[in-house]
Amino acid sequence: GAVVSQHPSWVICKSGTSVKIECRSLDFQATTMFWYRQFPKQSLMLMATSNEGSKATYEQGVEKDKFLINHASLTLSTLTVTSAHPEDSSFYICSTKDNNNEQFFGPGTRLTVL
Amino acid sequence: AQSVTQPDIHITVSEGASLELRCNYSYGATPYLFWYVQSPGQGLQLLLKYFSGDTLVQGIKGFEAEFKRSQSSFNLRKPSVHWSDAAEYFCAVVPFSGGYQKVTFGTGTKLQVIP
Repeated sequence: GAVVSQHPSWVICKSGTSVKIECRSLDFQATTMFWYRQFPKQSLMLMATSNEGSKATYEQGVEKDKFLINHASLTLSTLTVTSAHPEDSSFYICSTKDNNNEQFFGPGTRLTVL
Repeated sequence: AQSVTQPDIHITVSEGASLELRCNYSYGATPYLFWYVQSPGQGLQLLLKYFSGDTLVQGIKGFEAEFKRSQSSFNLRKPSVHWSDAAEYFCAVVPFSGGYQKVTFGTGTKLQVIP
């Protein structure tokens, strides 16, 4: 299966700053990547679908101006949390999918906003 | 809309005991079904998946799951639990249809293993 990496694995930032999280598909050309958010002791919630070369598709209730997604190449998608606030603190996970709809997940990025 | 229910939030078993984690889904047709495991602070690892065919699916780490259409269930089992199995387990479904449909995850079951 595809190998997906994320960077950084953990980031702590002050309220009001912007944070960029990278998601890389290391051995697979990913035209589509997914961004999930996981609050403590909760399941994963899909935030948006990132499409290479086009705009991302956001799920209902997710602010596109708050969570900027860029999928500039077949191996890289980035999620930027703009003007982060403590309520944005969460575990962010990206994934790619293959033709069988199997998803391959990155190791996640823990964001802590002070 | 599809939904996935994992009725057990937290399960504790003794090492060496058998394990069954429940998963029920609600969808008009048979979806693709997955079980994932997540260790603390880590991403998700696929344990096994069901697309079609044999309803008893073998996965990694000695896990298996059985798809029961009549019960809309896809329960995960392991005959003998090891301490390293302590983690959170997520059931997930994807509709069986042309084109991509988004994954719906259950709320997860946290497994604790006691010596």
